[in-house]
Amino acid sequence: DVKVTQSSRYLVKRTGEKVFLECVQDMDHENMFWYRQDPGLGLRLIYFSYDVKMKEKGDIPEGYSVSREKKERFSLILESASTNQTSMYLCASSWGRGGTEAFFGQGTRLTVV
Amino acid sequence: TQLLEQSPQFLSIQEGENLTVYCNSSSVFSSLQWYRQEPGEGPVLLVTVVTGGEVKKLKRLTFQFGDARKDSSLHITAAQPGDTGLYLCAPAGYGNKLVFGAGTILRVKS
Repeated sequence: DVKVTQSSRYLVKRTGEKVFLECVQDMDHENMFWYRQDPGLGLRLIYFSYDVKMKEKGDIPEGYSVSREKKERFSLILESASTNQTSMYLCASSWGRGGTEAFFGQGTRLTVV
Repeated sequence: TQLLEQSPQFLSIQEGENLTVYCNSSSVFSSLQWYRQEPGEGPVLLVTVVTGGEVKKLKRLTFQFGDARKDSSLHITAAQPGDTGLYLCAPAGYGNKLVFGAGTILRVKS
């Protein structure tokens, strides 16, 4: 059974903290994605990676960075968390170019206080 | 890159009713996917449509890709409470990048 695992379901952090969200996939997928999901806005792409150490900005990269040192792991970093980054964060992975199935983790509900 | 428009944003219907949701764009896509996200879960792929005019059926769900490959629709016959969720469309054509429309929230009441 294919699996994308996010390290935490719920996370509460203080404003200004550095926050790491981890995602691991066991399908040897080339592509990995980070999205944030807010009511009425669907899934907005923050960053994606199509290979180890390769990354590209999505639609809303400001305030975030990513790291992909190993193929199976993709980390999202909030350098200095702010309250407007309170959201649901979803990680996904897929293989090949667009049009292939993406598999999602269950999400991390991050609250910044 | 919100090139996609999904409508309606929200739909609340009674069990047994039929409904159609739409995914529209001014761009041409090589293919388009539909996902469903249930509360507390990540989205799960329902179908991929590839050919202009293509119709695919998944039990009570019928998916159609527009002839010009710019739009798609999802029709649900005799909706059930288990159909409740967020329906998202995602087109191909952005290389490895995967982007979604804002989605349609469907609530089916029993």
